[in-house]
Amino acid sequence: NAGVTQTPKFQVLKTGQSMTLQCAQDMNHEYMSWYRQDPGMGLRLIHYSVGAGITDQGEVPNGYNVSRSTTEDFPLRLLSAAPSQTSVYFCASRMREFTEAFFGQGTRLTVV
Amino acid sequence: KNEVEQSPQNLTAQEGEFITINCSYSVGISALHWLQQHPGGGIVSLFMLSSGKKKHGRLIATINIQEKHSSLHITASHPRDSAVYICAVRFGQGAQKLVFGQGTRLTINP
Repeated sequence: NAGVTQTPKFQVLKTGQSMTLQCAQDMNHEYMSWYRQDPGMGLRLIHYSVGAGITDQGEVPNGYNVSRSTTEDFPLRLLSAAPSQTSVYFCASRMREFTEAFFGQGTRLTVV
Repeated sequence: KNEVEQSPQNLTAQEGEFITINCSYSVGISALHWLQQHPGGGIVSLFMLSSGKKKHGRLIATINIQEKHSSLHITASHPRDSAVYICAVRFGQGAQKLVFGQGTRLTINP
């Protein structure tokens, strides 16, 4: 049982480049979320999804896009990377509203 | 504003000590999560609770809804318990978003 799988684990981008962070879960969870974690701050919600075809913005959505074409996958796209997007990104999923959350291992992104 | 405050920010203790980490929040919640983040960065869910108390091994989580406060206790602490412990809450019914505390960095010395 793989749980929540994030790829890549590490990435360095140049300012202006685009990339997609992948997140996949094999637990048939409806709810999936992307967070970023910065030093001295708690995890902050970027975007979330409550099911295939349904996404919504979180606390810090600017500069990021998401889509949810399948239950399993929830990719996060950076359209034009900026140094302010240097962070550690976590994907999480849960079955439904009041259930345990499962986190991926994180992606450490550096934008230079 | 919906806020989550954890204390202490850093905690160092000796192996075997009883550990308490606190989490306070500003308004009524529908659920509270305790998470553990290891030095390698991975995040693991420890508990989700909305009332009362839960226990798993040496870990105990309690919540007092009236006082808007939760505690995470570790009995017979061990160096492998060294990690950052994060409290996260869901404010109100139907809310999709978790609001996270800044975390408590726990170090257990042998």
